[in-house]
Amino acid sequence: AQSVAQPEDQVNVAEGNPLTVKCTYSVSGNPYLFWYVQYPNRGLQFLLKYITGDNLVKGSYGFEAEFNKSQTSFHLKKPSALVSDSALYFCAVPYSSASKIIFGSGTRLSIRP
Amino acid sequence: EAGVAQSPRYKIIEKRQSVAFWCNPISGHATLYWYQQILGQGPKLLIQFQNNGVVDDSQLPKDRFSAERLKGVDSTLKIQPAKLEDSAVYLCASRPPSGQSYNEQFFGPGTRLTVL
Repeated sequence: AQSVAQPEDQVNVAEGNPLTVKCTYSVSGNPYLFWYVQYPNRGLQFLLKYITGDNLVKGSYGFEAEFNKSQTSFHLKKPSALVSDSALYFCAVPYSSASKIIFGSGTRLSIRP
Repeated sequence: EAGVAQSPRYKIIEKRQSVAFWCNPISGHATLYWYQQILGQGPKLLIQFQNNGVVDDSQLPKDRFSAERLKGVDSTLKIQPAKLEDSAVYLCASRPPSGQSYNEQFFGPGTRLTVL
């Protein structure tokens, strides 16, 4: 069965510092992986996806994610955090012929000024 | 491009009452999803439609929840009667046809339901 795990409920980072939000996966076959962000009182917004190719995927708002097959990880990163990056982040994996998505439990990212 | 629309944004009801949520997907998106997101958790799929047909409703509590998409465009999700544990955000999402934007789903703003 496909699954993703987000080991940290909360990540706190100072503005201007690099940030990492962790995700590990367990999938059968070739992994396809996504990151979504949820701002307060808003729906989920797609950030980026890994399907195949380069292990470093670039997405919206300056975010990127590094796919690591040996560590079964897909960590979300940003070189310099902004206060406006404070939100809930979800790692996700598609299943059932890629028509459905399983979401992780989410990580709350808090950026302090 | 207009996004996924949902209404109402907030709803407060008492237990055993009924409630309905409405969703209008992005134009041209044949696949529509309803998710339940309980506070502190990731979204959980309730039901998936392809046009006006149900693809997967295995996680829908059918004794109290129902959903329809009669004309293959907008959709309604109903709860009757509501329980305290139904308090959650109900998210609607739609997806482009296969071959475009691989499996990316587009989400609406959600309806926050509070059952007292």
